[in-house]
Amino acid sequence: GIQVEQSPPDLILQEGANSTLRCNFSDSVNNLQWFHQNPWGQLINLFYIPSGTKQNGRLSATTVATERYSLLYISSSQTTDSGVYFCAVEEISGGYNKLIFGAGTRLAVHP
Amino acid sequence: EAEVAQSPRYKITEKSQAVAFWCDPISGHATLYWYRQILGQGPELLVQFQDESVVDDSQLPKDRSSAERLKGVDSTLKIQPAELGDSAMYLCASSLVSGNTIYFGEGSWLTVV
Repeated sequence: GIQVEQSPPDLILQEGANSTLRCNFSDSVNNLQWFHQNPWGQLINLFYIPSGTKQNGRLSATTVATERYSLLYISSSQTTDSGVYFCAVEEISGGYNKLIFGAGTRLAVHP
Repeated sequence: EAEVAQSPRYKITEKSQAVAFWCDPISGHATLYWYRQILGQGPELLVQFQDESVVDDSQLPKDRSSAERLKGVDSTLKIQPAELGDSAMYLCASSLVSGNTIYFGEGSWLTVV
């Protein structure tokens, strides 16, 4: 199956700093999604991004499918950005799309 | 805004007992997923439904677990007997169809003692 690797595994930022999270995947995928898991465990979909670039406020994401990676940019980080960021890629399995998650990047933003 | 509902939020059970989790997906979503997330790891797919049919249950320990989605709406995940290694968060998610944006519920935390 597809392997998904995220880096860095842990990241500590001072409020206001910018950061880039990376997701590498081992094979061609139909799609890619970025999620944020808050400290209470809730997973929120940030981006649905098979290719190209999308922006939502202080967050933006770029996927280069031909080179098998995606980047999540966080600008002017806030303490509420803390949590775990997951990249998940879709592979076709038995005719259906199956979402495979990476191990995540744990982000702590300090005031 | 429509949400995926799950219950219970927290469950503590003794080893060898039975436990069940319930999920109500967003109305109209044909695809329903159950994931297990062990602390410090990413979610792992246990079972995926397309309407009422199971399309993937390759990671579900079928000797002790079962999942059903009667009438293609809400779903129940059952574990019996529970083992210490089952301690994890169980996440339900849904999407309009397979391959679309996926929405997660708040999760059910299971502790087996």
